[in-house]
Amino acid sequence: AQSVTQLDSQVPVFEEAPVELRCNYSSSVSVYLFWYVQYPNQGLQLLLKYLSGSTLVESINGFEAEFNKSQTSFHLRKPSVHISDTAEYFCAVSASLSYNTDKLIFGTGTRLQVFP
Amino acid sequence: GAVVSQHPSRVICKSGTSVKIECRSLDFQATTMFWYRQFPKQSLMLMATSNEGSKATYEQGVEKDKFLINHASLTLSTLTVTSAHPEDSSFYICSARDFGNTEAFFGQGTRLTVV
Repeated sequence: AQSVTQLDSQVPVFEEAPVELRCNYSSSVSVYLFWYVQYPNQGLQLLLKYLSGSTLVESINGFEAEFNKSQTSFHLRKPSVHISDTAEYFCAVSASLSYNTDKLIFGTGTRLQVFP
Repeated sequence: GAVVSQHPSRVICKSGTSVKIECRSLDFQATTMFWYRQFPKQSLMLMATSNEGSKATYEQGVEKDKFLINHASLTLSTLTVTSAHPEDSSFYICSARDFGNTEAFFGQGTRLTVV
């Protein structure tokens, strides 16, 4: 079974400052890792994902995350945040062995609040 | 990217009535659909997984007779909350994935309020 831990429930930061949202996972098998963003009263949007290959993955809006197998981490970073980045961010994991049935396990989420 | 449409976005119903929520994949065939429940300021809790044409697999603690899931076609799954009570009030989100795709696409969610 897989599990995900997001240690920070809230991260307040000023605009244009860097930010890191932490995510650690636990699994006995190879995994896929995901970051999703949720705006108020909306569903989830995929921000970025790690499947294989390069351990550093990037999104189109400046976020990046690095898969660290030895530390079982997949932290999300952005060098300079905007007000519009204010949202809830969820880290998720799924086992990579079964494409069409394996479920996503979500962390408890981190509320990123960007202040002007 | 692929689009998943969830309807309705908001619903208010009286206690004791049933509510049906639809989840449609608009431009791909969803061999697997997932239903989640999200409480305020909490994460998504998986309720059940359904594969087209077969019975849904419910997570532990989820009442299958209360939360009826139907996945009759490759583009539509429905969640029916039967005999709803105020404690069923929540945000329900579906996601869909086609065979061989590692990414699940999410609907916009349904805010259910039972009064």
